[in-house]
Amino acid sequence: DVKVTQSSRYLVKRTGEKVFLECVQDMDHENMFWYRQDPGLGLRLIYFSYDVKMKEKGDIPEGYSVSREKKERFSLILESASTNQTSMYLCASSLRQSYQETQYFGPGTRLLVL
Amino acid sequence: EDQVTQSPEALRLQEGESSSLNCSYTVSGLRGLFWYRQDPGKGPEFLFTLYSAGEEKEKEKLKATLTKKESFLHITAPKPEDSATYLCAVATGTASKLTFGTGTRLQVTL
Repeated sequence: DVKVTQSSRYLVKRTGEKVFLECVQDMDHENMFWYRQDPGLGLRLIYFSYDVKMKEKGDIPEGYSVSREKKERFSLILESASTNQTSMYLCASSLRQSYQETQYFGPGTRLLVL
Repeated sequence: EDQVTQSPEALRLQEGESSSLNCSYTVSGLRGLFWYRQDPGKGPEFLFTLYSAGEEKEKEKLKATLTKKESFLHITAPKPEDSATYLCAVATGTASKLTFGTGTRLQVTL
């Protein structure tokens, strides 16, 4: 069964703190993605990675960085958290093979920045 | 720029009252259209992938169809446990990225 896990369900951080969100998948998928989800705006892609040590910017990368040192693990880093980064963060993974690109999501991390 | 629009934004049904949710899209080169269900506070759960116009897929009380401009998710005889937000997304280009709509929030009452 497909499984994507995220390190925390809820996080509360202070403005200026460095925040790490971790995602692990056990499906041997090449692609991994980080989204944020806000009411009325839907899911917006922050970064994605199609291979180890590879990364590409999504639609809203400002204020974020990512790391992918192992195939199964993709980390999202908020270098200096700000209140406008309060959101639901969702990780997903998929195969890179054409017509097999269904993305499977983790349970999400709800981040509150005070 | 790829655009995905879902309607209605919110839908309230009585138990047993069948209905359809709409996802219209404007994209260049559709590679796939995806439907997800999302319960409050949880990650989206995959339902269907459709690849070409005319394709239909069914799973229990859900049926998804695809035309060249839109997709419909039909729910038959819904129950309160079918209450959720239903998301539509499209894959285009070569980068395996998805563009999501903002979802239809479905509430089914007794």
